[in-house]
Amino acid sequence: QVQLVESGGGEVQPGRSLRLSCAASGFSFSDYGIHWVRQAPGKGLEWVAVMWNDGVNKKYADSVKGRFAISRDKSENTVYLQMDSLRVEDTAVYYCARALYSSSSFNHWGQGTLVTVSS
Amino acid sequence: QAVLTQPPSVSGAPGQRVTISCTGSSSNIGAGYDVHWYQQLPGEAPKLLVYDNTIRPSGVPDRFSGSKSGTSASLAITGLQAEDEADYYCHSYDSSLSPLFGGGTKLTVL
Repeated sequence: QVQLVESGGGEVQPGRSLRLSCAASGFSFSDYGIHWVRQAPGKGLEWVAVMWNDGVNKKYADSVKGRFAISRDKSENTVYLQMDSLRVEDTAVYYCARALYSSSSFNHWGQGTLVTVSS
Repeated sequence: QAVLTQPPSVSGAPGQRVTISCTGSSSNIGAGYDVHWYQQLPGEAPKLLVYDNTIRPSGVPDRFSGSKSGTSASLAITGLQAEDEADYYCHSYDSSLSPLFGGGTKLTVL
């Protein structure tokens, strides 16, 4: 069955880095874009970044542009989110989700991984 | 401040019908981009409930239905059940194809 499994979350100090992973299985990885969406404690959903299925095109939310980098390892069916210069306001559960095309729904989500940025 | 506006909360008694609105603008929903809806049960990841304005994925009960008109969309839930108590989010795109979410609506079943 379709699975997206996030890992790599944890607690870090402001200014430090963290790399999240999203491992995909049960579907043709090359057919889908993979998005990262985050949810701060008690808040709503905020889109973070996308890596499209061509493995080249990517896009970021203004709130993370220049600090976060998304990448893809096709051989491992995994998408990564490198998060640098972390801020307290980056504290959230980070979900990865798949989308078939550029304006489509996120038809499957992972269970999420918690990132806490605190001094 | 979310670009798509949803009511923070709605409520209804079991068996009743509730609707959740999602208001955008001519730059997103009104520009023709589809609206998708997600249900997030407490402590869980979001789950796709309606896509492309009106289509339910396999396994989603027909008590859930979506609609879209102009710069707004709505999610209707009929025959309200206790297990429908959750947060609901709408989702669309802007002209640069950046995903947009509504602020979320908490549904309480009285």
